[in-house]
Amino acid sequence: AQSVTQLDSHVSVSEGTPVLLRCNYSSSYSPSLFWYVQHPNKGLQLLLKYTSAATLVKGINGFEAEFKKSETSFHLTKPSAHMSDAAEYFCVVSVNNAGNMLTFGGGTRLMVKP
Amino acid sequence: NAGVTQTPKFQVLKTGQSMTLQCAQDMNHEYMSWYRQDPGMGLRLIHYSVGAGITDQGEVPNGYNVSRSTTEDFPLRLLSAAPSQTSVYFCASTRRPGLGYNEQFFGPGTRLTVL
Repeated sequence: AQSVTQLDSHVSVSEGTPVLLRCNYSSSYSPSLFWYVQHPNKGLQLLLKYTSAATLVKGINGFEAEFKKSETSFHLTKPSAHMSDAAEYFCVVSVNNAGNMLTFGGGTRLMVKP
Repeated sequence: NAGVTQTPKFQVLKTGQSMTLQCAQDMNHEYMSWYRQDPGMGLRLIHYSVGAGITDQGEVPNGYNVSRSTTEDFPLRLLSAAPSQTSVYFCASTRRPGLGYNEQFFGPGTRLTVL
């Protein structure tokens, strides 16, 4: 079975400082992993995805994530936070290659202070 | 393309009432799914469909029915609403898998309150 644990329910950073959102996963086989972002009262948008190619994955808006099999982690980072990054972020694992069955982490709410 | 659309955006029901949440996509995607979002629990899969006439249960199917008579539409029915079904509901679609992973496209959500 696949599962995802987001280690922080809330993260607060100052504008211009680095962002780190932590995610650990559990999977019985080589997983496909993703980060989605949800801005207030909006739907979900795909930030980036890992599907067994390069372990360092670059996404939109300057975000990137590194797949570390030995640590079963897929942490999301950004060098410099912007006010518009304030949102909820979900780490997600795909149950199958079809991509139609996703298991979500509990979410991390990112707050960015001016 | 409109992408994935959902109606209504907001709905308030009384316990025991029934209703249907509508979902449609215009991307000719074969796979469609329904999720519910609850605080601290991310999104959980309710039901999914891999094509017209084919549906299956996800992680939390109890209290919900689905059908898929066309490729475009995938309605979610609550036969007798309960307060535990108060949630935000998201519909998503993706094309039939080819090489590699297929991105899911999400609708804007329906916020349902059951009193």
